[in-house]
Amino acid sequence: QVQLVESGGGVVQPGRSLRLSCATSGFTFSSYGMHWVRQAPGKGLEWVAVIWYDGSNKYYVDSVKGRFTISRDNSKNALYLQMNSLRAEDTAVYFCATSQWNCPDYWGQGTLVTVSS
Amino acid sequence: SYELTQPPSVSVSPGQTARITCSGDALPKKYAYWYQQKSGQAPVLVIYEDSKRPSGIPERFSGSSSGTMATLTISGAQVEDEADYYCYSTDSSGGVFGGGTKLTVL
Repeated sequence: QVQLVESGGGVVQPGRSLRLSCATSGFTFSSYGMHWVRQAPGKGLEWVAVIWYDGSNKYYVDSVKGRFTISRDNSKNALYLQMNSLRAEDTAVYFCATSQWNCPDYWGQGTLVTVSS
Repeated sequence: SYELTQPPSVSVSPGQTARITCSGDALPKKYAYWYQQKSGQAPVLVIYEDSKRPSGIPERFSGSSSGTMATLTISGAQVEDEADYYCYSTDSSGGVFGGGTKLTVL
């Protein structure tokens, strides 16, 4: 069965960087696009970024453009999110998700990122 | 930027039909998707491409879309259906979620 496990979250100071990882198994990773979605404490879901199955296209929500980079390593079945110049408003649980039906379909359990001095 | 609008809350009694709406200007051309999120858990996709149900999702969950509005219908809502529900769609530069609807079943 599809398994997605996020890691790399933690507490980080404003302006610093963090790299999230998403380890995957149970499906052919190299055949599917992948998403990152976040949820601030007590708030709704916010789509963050998507990467196509081969990494050829990447799209971001406006609020993270120029600061976050989504990438993947198909040889390792892994997805990444490099987050630079972090702000307090980036504090959230970050979920990775597969994109079988052009949407985030199967989700991991998330990793919490807290941006605070 | 593209927006999807949902009512903040919907309340029904057990066994009644719950309808949650999602409005967006691009919905006539783009699919709507629906997610259920229970407290402390990751979201679960319950409807994709307007009206299709993933494997394992109960038949009481159905979706439809007409014009600028998509609707999630839960026929015979059960207490365990109490959760937050989010619609999702795409635009030319990525994805967008609605603000979410808290469904209360009591």
